[in-house]
Amino acid sequence: AQSVTQLGSHVSVSEGALVLLRCNYSSSVPPYLFWYVQYPNQGLQLLLKYTSAATLVKGINGFEAEFKKSETSFHLTKPSAHMSDAAEYFCAVTEGSSNYKLTFGKGTLLTVNP
Amino acid sequence: EPEVTQTPSHQVTQMGQEVILRCVPISNHLYFYWYRQILGQKVEFLVSFYNNEISEKSEIFDDQFSVERPDGSNFTLKIRSTKLEDSAMYFCASRVAGGSYNEQFFGPGTRLTVL
Repeated sequence: AQSVTQLGSHVSVSEGALVLLRCNYSSSVPPYLFWYVQYPNQGLQLLLKYTSAATLVKGINGFEAEFKKSETSFHLTKPSAHMSDAAEYFCAVTEGSSNYKLTFGKGTLLTVNP
Repeated sequence: EPEVTQTPSHQVTQMGQEVILRCVPISNHLYFYWYRQILGQKVEFLVSFYNNEISEKSEIFDDQFSVERPDGSNFTLKIRSTKLEDSAMYFCASRVAGGSYNEQFFGPGTRLTVL
């Protein structure tokens, strides 16, 4: 069965600082991995995805994530935080069945301080 | 840009009442999903729907829940007799069909409050 663990329910950074949001997964088969962002009162928007191509994945808004099979991790990073990055971030995994249901982590709330 | 829409944005109901949450998926998408997020908890898969039938459902999706695609555009989630613990944000998602993974596009959600 697939599962996701996000370390840290709340991360606070200063504007311009590095953003690092952690995600570890468990999957019985090679996974597909995703990061979604949720702004207040909005739906889930895909930031980036790993689907077994390049292990370093670039997404929207300057975010990127690296798939590390040996560490079963898919951490999300951004070199310099912007105030507009404040949101909730969810890591998700699917095992690539024909159904592709997503299993989400509990989410990490990112706050950016001026 | 096409998007998934959901109505209503907020539904308040009394315990034991039936509710229907509505979704309009993106027009050329063929897979449809419902997820829910109880306040403070993770987003959880409820059910997936393809070719006019349920393709997979979670243990949460018991006999009180049903889904339907009543016409060519809407995808609905019905809860027959709501319980307090059904209070949550419900997200609809859709994707195109295809052999490799295709992104699920999410709607803005319906917040259901059961009193």
